[in-house]
Amino acid sequence: AQSVTQLDSQVPVFEEAPVELRCNYSSSVSVYLFWYVQYPNQGLQLLLKYLSGSTLVESINGFEAEFNKSQTSFHLRKPSVHISDTAEYFCAVSDRDLAGGYNKLIFGAGTRLAVHP
Amino acid sequence: EAQVTQNPRYLITVTGKKLTVTCSQNMNHEYMSWYRQDPGLGLRQIYYSMNVEVTDKGDVPEGYKVSRKEKRNFPLILESPSPNQTSLYFCASSRIAVGALNTEAFFGQGTRLTVV
Repeated sequence: AQSVTQLDSQVPVFEEAPVELRCNYSSSVSVYLFWYVQYPNQGLQLLLKYLSGSTLVESINGFEAEFNKSQTSFHLRKPSVHISDTAEYFCAVSDRDLAGGYNKLIFGAGTRLAVHP
Repeated sequence: EAQVTQNPRYLITVTGKKLTVTCSQNMNHEYMSWYRQDPGLGLRQIYYSMNVEVTDKGDVPEGYKVSRKEKRNFPLILESPSPNQTSLYFCASSRIAVGALNTEAFFGQGTRLTVV
């Protein structure tokens, strides 16, 4: 079974500074990778995903993530953060059930990004 | 507006008193699932459903039941809640299997359950 490790539980950063949230997963077989964001008192929202093709994927609000198969990583980056980016970020990887279907997402423990003025 | 609606948002109950958390989606999604979120553990899948009348255990199903009698509804039932089920619960739906190609999961706003 897959596992996901988010190396930092909390990342404090000043506004307009760059940030990287790290994510490693356990298997090098073909996977689908996701980043979800959870704003305070809300459910999770999809931020971006890697399915195939270009290893660099981007979101509409300036985040990007790079799939690195050799390092089994999918780190999330943003060159300049805003106060409104304060949230918890979850990395997730698809996993197969016993029947072979992609019926679950395995989530990391989450990284709390706190952007300070 | 496309959404997943959970009720209640907050619930405090006592050990052993049966409770149901409702989940409803208006996107005609076939796949629905329940997760619990605990500090330091992220989200863990409790149960999922591929379609009406089809449900399967996730990673942490003990102490929970679900049903899928209609496509839009997927209630989570705790027959005899215990304090270790105190958690934040999320319902999610997607067009097809949640980890499959080109699928986005839509999450409800969460239900914070406290069992005393």
